[in-house]
Amino acid sequence: DAKTTQPNSMESNEEEPVHLPCNHSTISGTDYIHWYRQLPSQGPEYVIHGLTSNVNNRMASLAIAEDRKSSTLILHRATLRDAAVYYCILSRAGNMLTFGGGTRLMVKP
Amino acid sequence: ETGVTQTPRHLVMGMTNKKSLKCEQHLGHNAMYWYKQSAKKPLELMFVYNFKEQTENNSVPSRFSPECPNSSHLFLHLHTLQPEDSALYLCASSQVLGASNEKLFFGSGTQLSVL
Repeated sequence: DAKTTQPNSMESNEEEPVHLPCNHSTISGTDYIHWYRQLPSQGPEYVIHGLTSNVNNRMASLAIAEDRKSSTLILHRATLRDAAVYYCILSRAGNMLTFGGGTRLMVKP
Repeated sequence: ETGVTQTPRHLVMGMTNKKSLKCEQHLGHNAMYWYKQSAKKPLELMFVYNFKEQTENNSVPSRFSPECPNSSHLFLHLHTLQPEDSALYLCASSQVLGASNEKLFFGSGTQLSVL
């Protein structure tokens, strides 16, 4: 399985944008990029996914590099409720999702 | 509310006990999964079911026994567990199995402590 690399932790101020990076230099052409997040004492929840083009939804935006070797999850205005572990995962047809360590996002008031 | 419900939320059991974890999904999905999340470790996939049939067992010890009576329900039967089995056990479901653009929906998990 292609791997992803994320910083262990990041800090943000409340109501400011947050850019969470992910490197996936061994991504193959048909791998989707998925982001999930896990709030304290909860299971992971789906955030967003994309293949080549940038994607927006009500939770976040996903910016995908032109060579697809990296991507960035953008939270436009962080709130205290966005404090969570964010997982960047490559999804390949026929394979199960494999979760890594993720990035622990801390949001300061 | 994700549409995936796990019970109980918390469970404490002795090493000689037998207990079961229950998962129910109200999403009409066909695939269901058990994951284990130990403290400070990434999620580990344990079992996968597709249309009630087990399709994956990731070398899980036999003291964990899954059961999927229908596409909406998944159980994990536990017996003679060890303290190192203490973890958060997460159930998930998806509409189809193995599609690269498929989303997983997780329950809130059962926090298990084995004494």
